[in-house]
Amino acid sequence: NAGVMQNPRHLVRRRGQEARLRCSPMKGHSHVYWYRQLPEEGLKFMVYLQKENIIDESGMPKERFSAEFPKEGPSILRIQQVVRGDSAAYFCASSGGRGMNTEAFFGQGTRLTVV
Amino acid sequence: AQSVTQLDSQVPVFEEAPVELRCNYSSSVSVYLFWYVQYPNQGLQLLLKYLSGSTLVKGINGFEAEFNKSQTSFHLRKPSVHISDTAEYFCAVSRTGNQFYFGTGTSLTVIP
Repeated sequence: NAGVMQNPRHLVRRRGQEARLRCSPMKGHSHVYWYRQLPEEGLKFMVYLQKENIIDESGMPKERFSAEFPKEGPSILRIQQVVRGDSAAYFCASSGGRGMNTEAFFGQGTRLTVV
Repeated sequence: AQSVTQLDSQVPVFEEAPVELRCNYSSSVSVYLFWYVQYPNQGLQLLLKYLSGSTLVKGINGFEAEFNKSQTSFHLRKPSVHISDTAEYFCAVSRTGNQFYFGTGTSLTVIP
């Protein structure tokens, strides 16, 4: 799973600022998934993207959160006007396809702290 | 809709003792089942998965899990734990194999 690179590893933002979390998938992977892990909870699915397309955003909060996966470059999870409740670990996973024979690999996460 | 219940939030166990971490799931469709391990400040690492076939699945680090369809369970076991097994363990289900619904996790602490 070291192949999925997330940065930064730790991010501190003041309330009202914007947070940008980056995820570079493993080489050859074109499917990216974002998850959020709140303190003392499991990971919750947020969004599934393929290159230039959002496939499933059923887990994304309706406001302030957006995600993209451009043709070139990493996937970005953007949180506008952060609040204390956004403090969490955000994990990205990537896979080479969508199906039981394509394993998803997780990055080490970005730990966002809102002060 | 799918959901996963991990019945024990914390499991302390002595070194070299056996351990079982429980997982129950519910789903209106067929799903695949997974166990992941998360070491402190790390990402998730796949321990094992059940896709089809034999209901007893062997994974890395000496772990195994048994799929029980009638009880909708997928409990994780290890016959003898090591200090290095101290970590958070997550059970997950997926319809596709790579988009997951996770349980809330079980914190395994191995006591020397």
